[in-house]
Amino acid sequence: ELKVEQNPLFLSMQEGKNYTIYCNYSTTSDRLYWYRQDPGKSLESLFVLLSNGAVKQEGRLMASLDTKARLSTLHITAAVHDLSATYFCAVDSGSQGNLIFGKGTKLSVKP
Amino acid sequence: KAGVTQTPRYLIKTRGQQVTLSCSPISGHRSVSWYQQTPGQGLQFLFEYFSETQRNKGNFPGRFSGRQFSNSRSEMNVSTLELGDSALYLCASSLSLSNTGELFFGEGSRLTVL
Repeated sequence: ELKVEQNPLFLSMQEGKNYTIYCNYSTTSDRLYWYRQDPGKSLESLFVLLSNGAVKQEGRLMASLDTKARLSTLHITAAVHDLSATYFCAVDSGSQGNLIFGKGTKLSVKP
Repeated sequence: KAGVTQTPRYLIKTRGQQVTLSCSPISGHRSVSWYQQTPGQGLQFLFEYFSETQRNKGNFPGRFSGRQFSNSRSEMNVSTLELGDSALYLCASSLSLSNTGELFFGEGSRLTVL
């Protein structure tokens, strides 16, 4: 059974600091996704990582995938308050439409 | 272009009742998936439809069902509601022929069972 673990589950950061969220998964998969969810809102797609070594960057966020280690990271550079949200990683289970989600990392960026 | 639209956004039901939730996918998307989100269990896959056929089903009891129409719109139904069914129900659509598998989510329907 495919399991996805994120850590930390809660992260309180100061503005301007850097930090990394980790996503480990238990079985082989070449496709990993990062989503953002604001309170009471939907899931917004951030990154789609489709191969080993994939790295994608958008603004202050950078995601990478190491399929051999079954690990993805979401790195936050010089955090700002607007990044406060819950971030989920999800792994393709191999069956259509079925992504296995981590528990999410609730990020709070304080001035 | 318009995103995934879910209705209703909020609803309150009592135990034993049934509920139907609706989802209109992004235009051109033929695959629709449903997820349940709760604080305790997180995001869990319910089922996926493509061309009016259920292709995959998650580990939920038979009280949870769904269907898809010829225009790709989808509905899910929960019968004999229980308190534990209180959750945010999210619908997602995708281009089934896409090789990315990326899902695009709607705003969700928040169900409260009293």
